[in-house]
Amino acid sequence: SQKIEQNSEALNIQEGKTATLTCNYTNYSPAYLQWYRQDPGRGPVFLLLIRENEKEKRKERLKVTFDTTLKQSLFHITASQPADSATYLCALGVWIYNQGGKLIFGQGTELSVKP
Amino acid sequence: IAGITQAPTSQILAAGRRMTLRCTQDMRHNAMYWYRQDLGLGLRLIHYSNTAGTTGKGEVPDGYSVSRANTDDFPLTLASAVPSQTSVYFCASSDSFRQSSIGYTFGSGTRLTVV
Repeated sequence: SQKIEQNSEALNIQEGKTATLTCNYTNYSPAYLQWYRQDPGRGPVFLLLIRENEKEKRKERLKVTFDTTLKQSLFHITASQPADSATYLCALGVWIYNQGGKLIFGQGTELSVKP
Repeated sequence: IAGITQAPTSQILAAGRRMTLRCTQDMRHNAMYWYRQDLGLGLRLIHYSNTAGTTGKGEVPDGYSVSRANTDDFPLTLASAVPSQTSVYFCASSDSFRQSSIGYTFGSGTRLTVV
């Protein structure tokens, strides 16, 4: 069956450290992978996209890696701050026959950065 | 309006009643989507529309219907609400699958409780 799995446990880290979140998938062949941030009571907000032929993408303190052999993406936040506390969602961009392109979401990982 | 507007923000609905959740975007995006978000299950696609005049079923379409009469509006209707439809509903839009470098834009959500 097709699955997307993110760290099910909440991640608690100290301010200034690097947070690393994991997204694993099975039986999908994504054209790209996206990461979103979601704050309580709000809709997800797009952060980064990495395509299937890219290994790494950076944006300010964020870094995403994508290993299509391992079927895994890692999302890093360096020099983390309490304001980074949120739920982070990974999403696979897949092409579905007769439907077109779709985003399939993982269940999210809650990150808490302590001062 | 900037982005996606959803209404209402929250609603308590008696089982068996009909309800329409409204979604309007001002970005002229071709594609629009309805997701529901439940604890532990993440975001699941209900219905989608790749362009005005067309709609399709997502992962969990039963009990829901949509229409896309124009580019901007994508209402979601529950014909006869049941308690299992208690959830947070998010509307989203994107320009196109292949040009999704800016990701999906989400609304703030509608929190629906069916009693």
